[in-house]
Amino acid sequence: KNQVEQSPQSLIILEGKNCTLQCNYTVSPFSNLRWYKQDTGRGPVSLTIMTFSENTKSNGRYTATLDADTKQSSLHITASQLSDSASYICVVSASEYGNKLVFGAGTILRVKS
Amino acid sequence: NAGVTQTPKFRILKIGQSMTLQCTQDMNHNYMYWYRQDPGMGLKLIYYSVGAGITDKGEVPNGYNVSRSTTEDFPLRLELAAPSQTSVYFCASRNERVSSYEQYFGPGTRLTVT
Repeated sequence: KNQVEQSPQSLIILEGKNCTLQCNYTVSPFSNLRWYKQDTGRGPVSLTIMTFSENTKSNGRYTATLDADTKQSSLHITASQLSDSASYICVVSASEYGNKLVFGAGTILRVKS
Repeated sequence: NAGVTQTPKFRILKIGQSMTLQCTQDMNHNYMYWYRQDPGMGLKLIYYSVGAGITDKGEVPNGYNVSRSTTEDFPLRLELAAPSQTSVYFCASRNERVSSYEQYFGPGTRLTVT
């Protein structure tokens, strides 16, 4: 069964600290892996999209890694800010058409001052 | 560009009532999607469309219908609302013509069926 598992479920860190969120998947075939940020009461916003051949991608303070062999990805947030408080969702696509996306349940991050 | 807009933001329905969730995008994207998000769960695809006049079922289509008469609009219809349809609904669009995997999401509609 195609699944995306994220850990931890939730995380609290101090402003300015770094953190790493994990994503393990069993989706096959594999087209691409995405990380989204979802603020409370809003729709998800894309942070990074990686295909099979990419093993790291950055977007400002966000850096995603992908190990397609072990089917693992991580999202590293550097120098966290209060505005980073959100749910971070890992999504794996089994198709380039976007109709076979498997969403993880998300990691809820809270950054406190 | 306003991006992807959804109306209403909130709605409470009684069991058996019907309603249409509206979704409009002004980016001339050809692909559009409807998802539902239940608490503690990942988003699930309800229906999608690859262009005007073309729709197809996603993972959880039962109890819903869609139409795509224009590029801009992709309404989702609930005919006989059931408590199991209580959820947050997101519409998304994508410009497949530029070979981008990027999907742009609307702000969501929170629906409660009682």
